[in-house]
Amino acid sequence: QSALTQPASVSGSPGQSITISCTGTSSDVGSYKLVSWYQQHPGKAPKLIIYEVSKRPSGVSNRFSGSKSGNTASLTISGLQAEDEADYYCCSYAGSSTFWVFGGGTKLTVL
Amino acid sequence: QLQLQESGPGLVKPSETLSLSCTVSGGSISNTSYYWGWIRQPPGKGLEWIGSIYYSGSTYYNPSLKSRVTISVNTSENQFSLKLSSVTAADTAVYYCARHGVEELDYWGQGTLVTVSS
Repeated sequence: QSALTQPASVSGSPGQSITISCTGTSSDVGSYKLVSWYQQHPGKAPKLIIYEVSKRPSGVSNRFSGSKSGNTASLTISGLQAEDEADYYCCSYAGSSTFWVFGGGTKLTVL
Repeated sequence: QLQLQESGPGLVKPSETLSLSCTVSGGSISNTSYYWGWIRQPPGKGLEWIGSIYYSGSTYYNPSLKSRVTISVNTSENQFSLKLSSVTAADTAVYYCARHGVEELDYWGQGTLVTVSS
């Protein structure tokens, strides 16, 4: 069982928007503004797409956005494209001893 | 451009010790801004942080694996390593090395599949 809870799957049509939730606890998501999101295509390493809840690394499309409220973080992808079909993982800093906790991952299907 | 590359045996027998190395190129492992970590992903499953190390040798381990994990660093060779003892089939996974601060894991290796089987 993963430390953070994500829906197993979400789907949307091209051009639509989808949101993936990530629920943790007051010890991780709720305590730090240090939630990150990773995109993983089959057979590839995860790629950072959001850090510090809502910041985007250079080169990541502004169609990706993040937010947080209480113990739940969210990733929104707007203007869905076929290339967005992938697995998405949330991750939260959980303190200097535990460091990182991940969500179980969400499979995004672009219909 | 920073690159990380995992290396090590792809097959380990049950009860033995899994050993992997990660070679960092395009940057120094002694950069004081970063930590160096190991993350694994069992086939068809999610990501699990195993542990991390700072260039000084300070280590941080996932409590669920702590009794079996040792991470070390070799700054002269710009490498860090993972040892996981007493492995079972449940340790079969793709093992990734990655660079991180406290904000995010920003650079990842391509990953290496380690299978535990006799």
